[in-house]
Amino acid sequence: QITLKESGPTLVKPTQTLTLTCTFSGFSLSFSGVGVGWIRQPPGKALEWLALIQWNDENFYSPSLRTRLTITKDTSKNQVVLAMTNMDPVDTATYYCAHRDLWHSFDYWGQGALVTVSS
Amino acid sequence: DIQMTQSPSTLSASVGDRVTITCRASQSISSWLAWYQQKPGKAPKVLIYKASSLESGVPSRFSGSGSETEFTLTINSLQPDDFATYYCQQYSSFPWTFGQGTWVEIK
Repeated sequence: QITLKESGPTLVKPTQTLTLTCTFSGFSLSFSGVGVGWIRQPPGKALEWLALIQWNDENFYSPSLRTRLTITKDTSKNQVVLAMTNMDPVDTATYYCAHRDLWHSFDYWGQGALVTVSS
Repeated sequence: DIQMTQSPSTLSASVGDRVTITCRASQSISSWLAWYQQKPGKAPKVLIYKASSLESGVPSRFSGSGSETEFTLTINSLQPDDFATYYCQQYSSFPWTFGQGTWVEIK
């Protein structure tokens, strides 16, 4: 059974760096074709894809956020970490991590973590 | 970036209705399209992947079709549990992109 769970601060101040951890079980990120991505959703708005890291260490980022994002994996801990620098109130959103395989985009999602950016 | 445009933005329907949501890609994505259902306060749930493959455990009243730039999600005989927001998403090329969503509300 595949599960994912996001963890991190619920409140960050403007200009700070947000670090979110996705802890997963039921799969290995060293298995060919597997990846973990991050998606966010501001309150009342649509989903926005942020980043993806794959089994072979390839990573991909949203061009509009590329300079602010870093995605890394720790296969031994079954974790993926997303760092986003220079946070702004417009970055207030629920942040999701999700599993992908060769055929799916995202087939398993975490419950989401609401992050509020405010001074 | 590939733009994904859904229509309509809001759809009012009754239980038992057949509902169709359209998603258009700004360029060809072959069949690399997924459909998700999202209810308030919950994570999205995948319904369809590769444009027309039904995710395991999803009721057969949901179906997807299309290729290249035009795609549809059809819900046959809408059920009370189906009132939600639906998103399409392309995963043909990075950056992956979502449509703006279609809210299916009770008429």
